[in-house]
Amino acid sequence: DAGVIQSPRHEVTEMGQEVTLRCKPISGHDYLFWYRQTMMRGLELLIYFNNNVPIDDSGMPEDRFSAKMPNASFSTLKIQPSEPRDSAVYFCASSFAGRETYGYTFGSGTRLTVV
Amino acid sequence: KQEVTQIPAALSVPEGENLVLNCSFTDSAIYNLQWFRQDPGKGLTSLLLIQSSQREQTSGRLNASLDKSSGRSTLYIAASQPGDSATYLCAVRNNQAGTALIFGKGTTLSVSS
Repeated sequence: DAGVIQSPRHEVTEMGQEVTLRCKPISGHDYLFWYRQTMMRGLELLIYFNNNVPIDDSGMPEDRFSAKMPNASFSTLKIQPSEPRDSAVYFCASSFAGRETYGYTFGSGTRLTVV
Repeated sequence: KQEVTQIPAALSVPEGENLVLNCSFTDSAIYNLQWFRQDPGKGLTSLLLIQSSQREQTSGRLNASLDKSSGRSTLYIAASQPGDSATYLCAVRNNQAGTALIFGKGTTLSVSS
């Protein structure tokens, strides 16, 4: 398995533009998580899905952020409009509830810079 | 609300030294605890996962212990090497299958040769 795949790896955009981050979880995993990492706040959970259904989006900072999971193999995190304070590394992770001993697998992350 | 704290925030040691990284959590009702390694500019690599019913897990030179009642875990690294230099993150999952991991801010380790 290729692991959790995120794209793009790096994104530089201007303030006010729409940004879309993409994630492909490991095949067969039924949970998908989006995290954001900054120096100040560390890793913060934004939202997570179970069987493509959003379960907890309380970590989504504002209405400018939205996430979707149209099928078991794809999820997007969208920021519209983007702001400089959104600059961070965004990670996607997946897990399988039936194999709790295996924990989470993280993607390589998308480094977002909003100028 | 579960909070995870890691001490120290940074640690520098000479090669060959044995060391301990600490993790504490405020709510002892956890499902499991996971230690990750993160290299600069990279993603997270899982090192060890301890279920709530377990006391420790070992992988090579790494040993992680869990004391759920006191809300503590330690990651022991034996005979440290320069290649061990990275940030080590502790994360807990509350006592419900499938819930999200809550992370500490990590300990950045530097091992000098």
